[in-house]
Amino acid sequence: DAGVIQSPRHEVTEMGQEVTLRCKPISGHNSLFWYRQTMMRGLELLIYFNNNVPIDDSGMPEDRFSAKMPNASFSTLKIQPSEPRDSAVYFCASSLYGGQPQHFGDGTRLSIL
Amino acid sequence: SQQGEEDPQALSIQEGENATMNCSYKTSINNLQWYRQNSGRGLVHLILIRSNEREKHSGRLRVTLDTSKKSSSLLITASRAADTASYFCATEEGDDKIIFGKGTRLHILP
Repeated sequence: DAGVIQSPRHEVTEMGQEVTLRCKPISGHNSLFWYRQTMMRGLELLIYFNNNVPIDDSGMPEDRFSAKMPNASFSTLKIQPSEPRDSAVYFCASSLYGGQPQHFGDGTRLSIL
Repeated sequence: SQQGEEDPQALSIQEGENATMNCSYKTSINNLQWYRQNSGRGLVHLILIRSNEREKHSGRLRVTLDTSKKSSSLLITASRAADTASYFCATEEGDDKIIFGKGTRLHILP
């Protein structure tokens, strides 16, 4: 099994630019989660999907952030426009069902200059 | 919002010793999970303990859960250099999402 695949692994861009992070969950998993990790705030849940439907987006910081899951094998997290305070490591995780053990990708390290 | 709080924030022990990390949480849970994160990598699930269980073992890992005290502990026996990582507890409250604590950084000294 390939595991959760995230791309890119690293992204450096200037503030104001659009950033798109991508995630391919484990085949057969019904739940997908996006997290942001920083030293100050730890690991924060941004949004999660069940069967491709967004269930809880209360962790999305503001309207500049959006996430989609057009099918069971792909999800994107978009930031537009990006700001320096968005710099963090963004993780995608999937699980068979919500509340069950999650499998994490290796993250995207995002730096906004 | 944060549910679990790990204690201590950082721990350094000699290789071969046992490492104990604690987690306290605030509200009722369905299950509690422990994860490990190596530097630069994603989290890896270690063990899940349900609210009606009191103790669980997996290899060198032992997890306890005390729902009356709203606390859990993770014991790693006979520590190895490869155990150096951050360890997180995470709680599931019944709404399908799990909330992570800020973690304990464990350093195993040679």
